[in-house]
Amino acid sequence: GAGVSQTPSNKVTEKGKYVELRCDPISGHTALYWYRQSLGQGPEFLIYFQGTGAADDSGLPNDRFFAVRPEGSVSTLKIQRTERGDSAVYLCASSFNAGTEAFFGQGTRLTVV
Amino acid sequence: DQQVKQNSPSLSVQEGRISILNCDYTNSMFDYFLWYKKYPAEGPTFLISISSIKDKNEDGRFTVFLNKSAKHLSLHIVPSQPGDSAVYFCAASARYAGGTSYGKLTFGQGTILTVHP
Repeated sequence: GAGVSQTPSNKVTEKGKYVELRCDPISGHTALYWYRQSLGQGPEFLIYFQGTGAADDSGLPNDRFFAVRPEGSVSTLKIQRTERGDSAVYLCASSFNAGTEAFFGQGTRLTVV
Repeated sequence: DQQVKQNSPSLSVQEGRISILNCDYTNSMFDYFLWYKKYPAEGPTFLISISSIKDKNEDGRFTVFLNKSAKHLSLHIVPSQPGDSAVYFCAASARYAGGTSYGKLTFGQGTILTVHP
């Protein structure tokens, strides 16, 4: 596609449930990033992939969060045992190479009730 | 520990005037700086960037200035237009610092710019 695509655009889930958020990066982009944005804050780094491997996962808040990118393209962010504090907009971005400008998707708004 | 700070939550400017958005950083390893614009319900859109080897980069109405000694950068928009009304984020990375973290962007909290007709 022309841009970074994230699905779903909105997700409401009950506390304790498992959710998966999907990101389709721009074709040919090797670097993929996940960020989380809470109201009134800037995007907060979660994890960065270079190809299939997680090059830096230092931003994942705890072991309930996990992300994969098995074929070096689409990525899935997985959250287990969701908590109300996980409610935020989850942003995915991709870039041609790490260190070049990152292009963002529209985000997935996750609401945990 | 807020490594990138935008101390002005909002800025209001008249159409045609200059908008100046400011950003400060604390991490001396940062060597690449970017500005993103964000409209409601959309992801951030890249605007302009600057490497630490430069002190100015210009692209049309947008100019970014970098003062490394003060660890300060600013975005100038001139002339400002109503369509520029959005949230502006400053971001930084340690692009050439090596290791595995150089793709990661650290963002400021954002400044809401409103340009009045």
